[in-house]
Amino acid sequence: GAGVSQTPSNKVTEKGKYVELRCDPISGHTALYWYRQSLGQGPEFLIYFQGTGAADDSGLPNDRFFAVRPEGSVSTLKIQRTERGDSAVYLCASSLQGGMNTEAFFGQGTRLTVV
Amino acid sequence: GENVEQHPSTLSVQEGDSAVIKCTYSDSASNYFPWYKQELGKRPQLIIDIRSNVGEKKDQRIAVTLNKTAKHFSLHITETQPEDSAVYFCAVSGAGSYQLTFGKGTKLSVIP
Repeated sequence: GAGVSQTPSNKVTEKGKYVELRCDPISGHTALYWYRQSLGQGPEFLIYFQGTGAADDSGLPNDRFFAVRPEGSVSTLKIQRTERGDSAVYLCASSLQGGMNTEAFFGQGTRLTVV
Repeated sequence: GENVEQHPSTLSVQEGDSAVIKCTYSDSASNYFPWYKQELGKRPQLIIDIRSNVGEKKDQRIAVTLNKTAKHFSLHITETQPEDSAVYFCAVSGAGSYQLTFGKGTKLSVIP
């Protein structure tokens, strides 16, 4: 595709439920990142994939959050037992090779609302 | 970890005037400094970036300056236009790290 695609664009879920957020990176990009953006804040790093492996998951807030990228392309961010504090826009980004100092292209995000 | 502070949080300028946004960072090993523009409800988009071996970079009306000694960098927009109105984020990436640490953003309003 032309850019990073995220689905769904909006997700409303009840507290305690499980959600999955999907990211389709730009074709050929080996690096994939998940960020979380709360209202009025800058994006905060969650996890970075190089190929299929999570090279850096130091930003995941707790063990309710998990992400996979089984074939080195599409990634899914999974949140268990959602809490109201998880409400935010979840942004995915990809870059060509994941080396430091390479441009990251962002998707439009999934707005998650936990009620 | 890296700490990035961005000022001001809001900025209003008259069309045609210049706008300057400043960021400071804490890790002296940081070496990549991009700026992103985010319009309401849209994705962040890279507008300009600079690496630590360069002191200044310019692209038409946009420029970024970097002072590694003082650990700060600035975005300069000249001849502002209404379509420049958006939230601007600075970000920093350090040596050995693939993640970007973002500032809290500056909401720029260009008044026609």
